[in-house]
Amino acid sequence: AQKITQTQPGMFVQEKEAVTLDCTYDTSDPSYGLFWYKQPSSGEMIFLIYQGSYDQQNATEGRYSLNFQKARKSANLVISASQLGDSAMYFCAMRDRSGSRLTFGEGTQLTVNP
Amino acid sequence: DAGVIQSPRHEVTEMGQEVTLRCKPISGHNSLFWYRQTMMRGLELLIYFNNNVPIDDSGMPEDRFSAKMPNASFSTLKIQPSEPRDSAVYFCASSFHLLGRRNYQPQHFGDGTRLSIL
Repeated sequence: AQKITQTQPGMFVQEKEAVTLDCTYDTSDPSYGLFWYKQPSSGEMIFLIYQGSYDQQNATEGRYSLNFQKARKSANLVISASQLGDSAMYFCAMRDRSGSRLTFGEGTQLTVNP
Repeated sequence: DAGVIQSPRHEVTEMGQEVTLRCKPISGHNSLFWYRQTMMRGLELLIYFNNNVPIDDSGMPEDRFSAKMPNASFSTLKIQPSEPRDSAVYFCASSFHLLGRRNYQPQHFGDGTRLSIL
């Protein structure tokens, strides 16, 4: 069975600084995909970034980058130059080889302070 | 481009009433997912369709819940009769996926339906 663990219920960061949100996962499947989603207070789920288990390089998407350490089974999200609009709940999720079920972590509430 | 469209955005109804949630996936996507989000249980997959066929409904709570996808552009999730414990945010998501093939296209979510059962 797959499991996603986000150990930080809440994180605080100063505007313009970088922040790392932790995510560890557990799966017996050698092939999987890892995703990060952002959920602002308005409620929608916004896809941010994806990392495949066989990808050689860490994924980057604008100010978002994924620190993928396969041996440690971690896929931490790094947000550079934080903005006030980054304040939201962030979810790490994993998709197995079948490609169907997304397993979500419990989320990390990020607050960006001015 | 239009994203996943869900309706209604909010629904408040009394216990025992029938509730129908609607979803229009992104054009070209062949996979559709219904999720439920609560404070206690987080995000849970209820059911997954591929090419309009239910593939995995193991997350559907009980017989009171049913989901249909009559065509590639429309799906419904129905609760009958509704109970207060069904109160949650229900998300529909879509992606493109070929069954049996390794495919990690992201799932794109609608804005959700906030359901309150009194």
